Amino acid sequence: GENVEQHPSTLSVQEGDSAVIKCTYSDSASNYFPWYKQELGKGPQLIIDIRSNVGEKKDQRIAVTLNKTAKHFSLHITETQPEDSAVYFCAAVRGFSGTYKYIFGTGTRLKVLA
Amino acid sequence: KAGVTQTPRYLIKTRGQQVTLSCSPISGHRSVSWYQQTPGQGLQFLFEYFSETQRNKGNFPGRFSGRQFSNSRSEMNVSTLELGDSALYLCASSLSNQETQYFGPGTRLLVL
Repeated sequence: GENVEQHPSTLSVQEGDSAVIKCTYSDSASNYFPWYKQELGKGPQLIIDIRSNVGEKKDQRIAVTLNKTAKHFSLHITETQPEDSAVYFCAAVRGFSGTYKYIFGTGTRLKVLA
Repeated sequence: KAGVTQTPRYLIKTRGQQVTLSCSPISGHRSVSWYQQTPGQGLQFLFEYFSETQRNKGNFPGRFSGRQFSNSRSEMNVSTLELGDSALYLCASSLSNQETQYFGPGTRLLVL
């Protein structure tokens, strides 16, 4: 079936270092790839997204890259800060019958050590 | 603009009871989706409502149901609660014909 593999499941980095989270999707019809950040006790918050006609997108310290051929997309966080500590989810989305189907990755717990 | 709101935020029920959760989408958003989040299964899609009609449904038993009102607010109901229904229930809203979903804070349900 359709799935999204996300790695690593946990990631610890020193403050100021970079963090990279990778996702691989199976549904070749997926054309939209959002990333969400979920802090403790809160719902997932959209932090960045990319569409299949774009290879890379950047927003300040975060960037997302997409390789459609390999069905890979990655989240890059530079100059990490303690407030970046959270669980990050990727998703692969495709449209069908007037709606959209989201398949989420299993999440990455990022810990930024001060 | 106010975000997605969910009530109640926390709920404790016992096995066999039923529960109703509420979600108010972002103003102007007409699509509302519900997800169950558990440590073991991650984010699992329950159903989506648009214009008071269920447009899409995940693989959950019939004990899970929902509805949407004319103002786009949505409710989900779980009947005959089981211990395994303990989870964070998330609601997400989106504009018509837009794929981006915005999540609410969730309702944490504990079934004893």
